[in-house]
This record gives sequence, structure tokens and C-alpha cells, in this order.
Amino acid sequence: DAKTTQPNSMESNEEEPVHLPCNHSTISGTDYIHWYRQLPSQGPEYVIHGLTSNVNNRMASLAIAEDRKSSTLILHRATLRDAAVYYCILHNAGGTSYGKLTFGQGTILTVHP
Amino acid sequence: GAGVSQSPSNKVTEKGKDVELRCDPISGHTALYWYRQSLGQGLEFLIYFQGNSAPDKSGLPSDRFSAERTGGSVSTLTIQRTQQEDSAVYLCASSHRGGYGYTFGSGTRLTVV
Repeated sequence: DAKTTQPNSMESNEEEPVHLPCNHSTISGTDYIHWYRQLPSQGPEYVIHGLTSNVNNRMASLAIAEDRKSSTLILHRATLRDAAVYYCILHNAGGTSYGKLTFGQGTILTVHP
Repeated sequence: GAGVSQSPSNKVTEKGKDVELRCDPISGHTALYWYRQSLGQGLEFLIYFQGNSAPDKSGLPSDRFSAERTGGSVSTLTIQRTQQEDSAVYLCASSHRGGYGYTFGSGTRLTVV
């Protein structure tokens, strides 16, 4: 799976929007962009995924650049419970890696009250 | 069950002993994955099951590690002759369709003393 680049850490204030960037300049046409997050002492949890169009769900929004070389996870109003490590992952559904997701180091999000 | 269940949640073992870690995936999920996470590190893929077969064992770090899955459901990860470097959180995830919306368990924290 292609590599992604994320900032090591970001900070936000409670109830403010948070934009978490991810660069993936070597993305291929069949790579999906997945976001997971890991709260302290828990396993990762699925947040959102997309291919080309922007996506919205109850947790977050995913904005994908027109050239697909970058994307942004948007938390519309951060809460203290959103403090976690956020992972941006590319997965080629048509490849031989089956469902295996390769996790990088992620972005540590700190939310201040 | 409602989620992925892992047992035990914590395991302390003496160096050289064998350990078995169990994962109960979400009912009906055909894909099952084992990862491990050392302290402060990202997730390291170990093995992937589709049904009872393991088409991808590439992440198992040594022949001391083995895993099986029976009945397309429960999986057991066995570590023989444990070493201190095996200390980590072992995470299991399951998926209905590989790569889309993994659900992770809370993990087993293994400490080898």
C-alpha cells in the first residue's frame, strides 16, 4: 500500500473545528483513503473512508483533493473525547493485500478544554 | 456478539513460557486480522484469516508465533517460548469485507517478565 504522511501532533480547543491533513502523493487510482482513530488504551476505531468524492458521516467529514494527492479529516466540533491518534491509511481494494491495512505513526490530537 | 472480544485482557508470563491469546470476532465477519502494538509504537500487522485459512502470514515475527482459526469464528494466537521483546498489546480485528470498516477488540496486554 502507498505511503501517507501526517503531522506528528496537532492541538485544538474544545468545540472548535479540527482539520487533520494527510499527504499521499503516490496514491494510485484504486487506492481508497481510510481514517481510523485510537483512543487511549483502546483498539483503533473506523472513522471514515472515501475514494474520490468528499464523504460525510456522523463522526466526521473527509475532504479529498481533486488530484487525490492529499486529504483532510474534519472534526466539526472537537470534544475532549476526540483526543486520540488519528491514522490516515491507503488501501488498494483491488490488490493482493486483501483487507490488510498498514498503519503509520498517525497524528496525536490533543484537545484543550 | 456486538463487538470483537479478546481474552485475556491482561497477561503476565515468565520468559520461556507459552501463551495463548483468544479473539472472538463479530458474528458473520469472514475476515480476521491480528496486529500488535509495542509501547508508543504504531500497529504491526501479524496475520490475516479469510474463513479458516490464512493467506497472509507475512507479519509473524518468528516461528515461535502461530495462529489458527476454527469454524470461521474464534481465533487463537499462540506464542511459544515467550521473550521480553514479545511484550506488547495484541489486537484482533474483524471485517465483513476486507478493508472496509474493521472493528477492533480492546486487545490483550502481554507482559513477559
